[in-house]
Amino acid sequence: GENVEQHPSTLSVQEGDSAVIKCTYSDSASNYFPWYKQELGKGPQLIIDIRSNVGEKKDQRIAVTLNKTAKHFSLHITETQPEDSAVYFCAANRNTGNQFYFGTGTSLTVIP
Amino acid sequence: KAGVTQTPRYLIKTRGQQVTLSCSPISGHRSVSWYQQTPGQGLQFLFEYFSETQRNKGNFPGRFSGRQFSNSRSEMNVSTLELGDSALYLCASSPLLAGTSVDSEQFFGPGTRLTVL
Repeated sequence: GENVEQHPSTLSVQEGDSAVIKCTYSDSASNYFPWYKQELGKGPQLIIDIRSNVGEKKDQRIAVTLNKTAKHFSLHITETQPEDSAVYFCAANRNTGNQFYFGTGTSLTVIP
Repeated sequence: KAGVTQTPRYLIKTRGQQVTLSCSPISGHRSVSWYQQTPGQGLQFLFEYFSETQRNKGNFPGRFSGRQFSNSRSEMNVSTLELGDSALYLCASSPLLAGTSVDSEQFFGPGTRLTVL
């Protein structure tokens, strides 16, 4: 099956700095890679996603890059704000149903 | 539009008991997936139901089962509870196969926190 690894497990940045979270996957058949943000007491919420036919996608302060050859994808958050503090999860899917393989999460703290 | 709702939000059981968790997807969503979230293992896929049929199943023992009703509501059941089953159980719904279109985002509920004593 698929194995998704995520690094770092914790990340602290100063407000206004950038944050980068990296994930690697093992199954070359995976072709859809969403990122989720989970706040305390809530379920994960999709913040951005990318499909395997695209190398980069941006949405305001958030961007995701995908390197299919190396089987890794990254989340970039620029101009971080305190409200960005949360746990972030990457995931991979093979489009064979809504079965997702998740990374172990990154706890991001933005220091005001 | 109401989000994904899960009941109960908190549950305490003892070893050997069984438990049933409920999930009501967003209106119109036909796919419901279940995940187990623990600090050590992260989010692990349990199973997915689409139009009352189990479409995918993760690597969990047979003590974990689920079903989906004609109105897309879903239940999952865990029999003979073990201490290691203590976790946050998350339900997610999607109208379609996630990732196939802009309308196929997977929405998560707040989860049911199960504690096994």
